[in-house]
Amino acid sequence: DIQMTQSPSTLSASVGDRVTITCRASQSISSWLAWYQQKPGKAPKLLIYKASSLESGVPSRFSGSGSGTEFTLTISSLQPDDFATYYCQQYNSYSLTFGGGTKVEIK
Amino acid sequence: QVQLQESGPGLVKPSQTLSLTCTVSGGSISSGGYYWSWIRQHPGKGLEWIGYIYYSGSTYYNPSLKSRVTISVDTSKNQFSLKLSSVTAADTAVYYCARWTTRIRLFDYWGQGTLVTVSS
Repeated sequence: DIQMTQSPSTLSASVGDRVTITCRASQSISSWLAWYQQKPGKAPKLLIYKASSLESGVPSRFSGSGSGTEFTLTISSLQPDDFATYYCQQYNSYSLTFGGGTKVEIK
Repeated sequence: QVQLQESGPGLVKPSQTLSLTCTVSGGSISSGGYYWSWIRQHPGKGLEWIGYIYYSGSTYYNPSLKSRVTISVDTSKNQFSLKLSSVTAADTAVYYCARWTTRIRLFDYWGQGTLVTVSS
């Protein structure tokens, strides 16, 4: 199985900060990586797919990059609505796994 | 707009079988290009993919759960179901159903989730 290591697990930041979350795969997954945002009591919401494609309706302050084994999610200017937990998710050969999550907290 | 809704018992006894159904509305489960999925989240923890099924009945499961999981589909009812056998307290979680889009390999629609507690 491909393991996804997400870091940091918790991140404290202020409104307006630039925030970067990293996800590393235990083997190459090409660009088959997605990012989701989850708020308490809610289902995850898709932000980014295929490593760098922005889902329709998602603010442009969110961006994704990377390929192979290392990927990043960047929020260019953190907004109050962005305080949440973020998960990466990989796909490889009909199997998929999620990263452990990054909780973005108010500093 | 596709919508998914989980249903089933919120309490299951240890050693019994957990059974959940996901009803899909706003689209046909028989549409090609999608796998219908189950994902769970232990309290305060991350997401764990359980498995998914194509409308034809082809299934793929998480290897760590494969021996206990069965996912089935009923296209006439536009539903798919999860059975998890021999449950323990470690299976207590919020269970989500979701649609997996094969072309771009992502979950684009999710149910609201249902908490299943395993307890005697």
